[in-house]
Amino acid sequence: ELKVEQNPLFLSMQEGKNYTIYCNYSTTSDRLYWYRQDPGKSLESLFVLLSNGAVKQEGRLMASLDTKARLSTLHITAAVHDLSATYFCAAEASNDHKLSFGAGTTVTVRA
Amino acid sequence: DSGVTQTPKHLITATGQRVTLRCSPRSGDLSVYWYQQSLDQGLQFLIQYYNGEERAKGNILERFSAQQFPDLHSELNLSSLELGDSALYFCASGRGATEQFFGPGTRLTVL
Repeated sequence: ELKVEQNPLFLSMQEGKNYTIYCNYSTTSDRLYWYRQDPGKSLESLFVLLSNGAVKQEGRLMASLDTKARLSTLHITAAVHDLSATYFCAAEASNDHKLSFGAGTTVTVRA
Repeated sequence: DSGVTQTPKHLITATGQRVTLRCSPRSGDLSVYWYQQSLDQGLQFLIQYYNGEERAKGNILERFSAQQFPDLHSELNLSSLELGDSALYFCASGRGATEQFFGPGTRLTVL
């Protein structure tokens, strides 16, 4: 069974500083996803990473994937208040495409 | 807006009752996935349908069942409800081996 570990679970960020969220998964996966969830809302897709070495950037967020280490990172540059949310990574199983989610990282950005 | 619709948005019911959650996938998507999000279990995959047939099963209780109809909408039936079934239930849709898009969710409260 594909297991996903995410850390840290809680991250208090200071505006303007840089931070990284880590996501480890246990077995081979076809895709690695990053989602954002605001309280009481649905999951918003941020990135889909398909291959080793993949790097994607959108605004202050950058995600990367190392399939050999089974590790993905979400890097936040110069945090701003709007980035406060819970971030989930999810790995997709190769055989049936179901997603296994990490526990989520709750990010709070303070002035 | 992901294009996936779910009804109802909120559902409040009593223990022992039965409810049905409905999901309409994005146009052209043949796969429907159901996920449960609760405080203690996090986000968990329940079940997947592809073009009317069950494809994969996750941690779905025997009291829960689902089906996908010829028009590709899906229903998740939850019976003999318990307090612990209170959660957000998400439906996602996709085209086989492609990204999954999540609906807005149904918040179920069992009293």
